[in-house]
Amino acid sequence: QKEVEQNSGPLSVPEGAIASLNCTYSDRGSQSFFWYRQYSGKSPELIMFIYSNGDKEDGRFTAQLNKASQYVSLLIRDSQPSDSATYLCAVNRAGTYKYIFGTGTRLKVLA
Amino acid sequence: DVKVTQSSRYLVKRTGEKVFLECVQDMDHENMFWYRQDPGLGLRLIYFSYDVKMKEKGDIPEGYSVSREKKERFSLILESASTNQTSMYLCASTTPPGSYEQYFGPGTRLTVT
Repeated sequence: QKEVEQNSGPLSVPEGAIASLNCTYSDRGSQSFFWYRQYSGKSPELIMFIYSNGDKEDGRFTAQLNKASQYVSLLIRDSQPSDSATYLCAVNRAGTYKYIFGTGTRLKVLA
Repeated sequence: DVKVTQSSRYLVKRTGEKVFLECVQDMDHENMFWYRQDPGLGLRLIYFSYDVKMKEKGDIPEGYSVSREKKERFSLILESASTNQTSMYLCASTTPPGSYEQYFGPGTRLTVT
């Protein structure tokens, strides 16, 4: 079992729809959770982070964390073609410097 | 805004050459990281540094070394480049403890021929 798992996709959604991206993790000691957006040929860009159970909203993005079930998700409302990218999930265990990344989900927003 | 810069966007080197990749951050971050990213394998940690002159091996340190002589600068060294080190190399730094947000530089696409 991978430490951080994501469906590779592609996930295709029509413009204006809600895109839902999921990530599961195996280490119950994980404390911090991050979502990165990565355009082809570019480096990852941090878009959301969450530390507590529940939802965190920032503009069109909502991160959801459920530690009991060991998953974290990212919702993108009113999806735009410019949101088409690979989304990486990353987790950090409390008290360590190490970040574990998933291999990413490719999102395609269809105009 | 956090700014992490890398010395080159694209680099082509020959097998056996010694290669230096440099990374600079301007936010006084203590922690800095070197990753490589390959299709299907995701981001893999090569080395990280939590202070000047301090370093720890990541998951794939073989064939690499690092140097951190100043807080803002973290260098990755390929002692003798090989074709299997062709990859995208990403430097990152993190905010102080309490938030742990990790920010990446633009990346260096290294090709070893």
